[in-house]
Amino acid sequence: DAGVTQSPTHLIKTRGQQVTLRCSPKSGHDTVSWYQQALGQGPQFIFQYYEEEERQRGNFPDRFSGHQFPNYSSELNVNALLLGDSALYLCASSLVGGGGYQETQYFGPGTRLLVL
Amino acid sequence: AQSVTQLDSQVPVFEEAPVELRCNYSSSVSVYLFWYVQYPNQGLQLLLKYLSGSTLVKGINGFEAEFNKSQTSFHLRKPSVHISDTAEYFCAVSDKYTGNQFYFGTGTSLTVIP
Repeated sequence: DAGVTQSPTHLIKTRGQQVTLRCSPKSGHDTVSWYQQALGQGPQFIFQYYEEEERQRGNFPDRFSGHQFPNYSSELNVNALLLGDSALYLCASSLVGGGGYQETQYFGPGTRLLVL
Repeated sequence: AQSVTQLDSQVPVFEEAPVELRCNYSSSVSVYLFWYVQYPNQGLQLLLKYLSGSTLVKGINGFEAEFNKSQTSFHLRKPSVHISDTAEYFCAVSDKYTGNQFYFGTGTSLTVIP
């Protein structure tokens, strides 16, 4: 049973550039959430995608955007990169299904982004 | 919005000694509670979860946690730690009925001393 996968594992960008991170959810899951984990901190919620739409958003600027594809995989895009965007970006998948509520989120290994 | 407080940022403990990592959350509204472990340069691995039912939940690697609604706490315990338990531990909470996002604490770094 494949778990949550993310690509790439590491990425180095310069200020002002744009970046796209990718995530494939655990088999059978339909919902993807993205988190930013700064060094020494807990993960902070960016947004969640369900049925190809953004379902909820955390306190992140519009420079952060996403997409979910029909196969439930997802992308996180960050425009106009700032030094402060350097972090580990975690993708988590869960099953919402017909009940409308999720229970457990399962996390991928993350993408470590360094902005110079 | 929920908030999660992990009271100890660093916990050193000798091998084979017991350990407790403390977690408090802000609201006693129906919640789901989780503990995740993060090894260096890796993602988060689910240790255990409380969804409903018995307030004492058991997880992987010999860990257990107890949900205390009146104290809004969910402390993690292990009776005898191993070197391999050295890692960062995160407590997380989500609202049961609006719980699209998980709220995480700032983490507790557990160091097991040989």
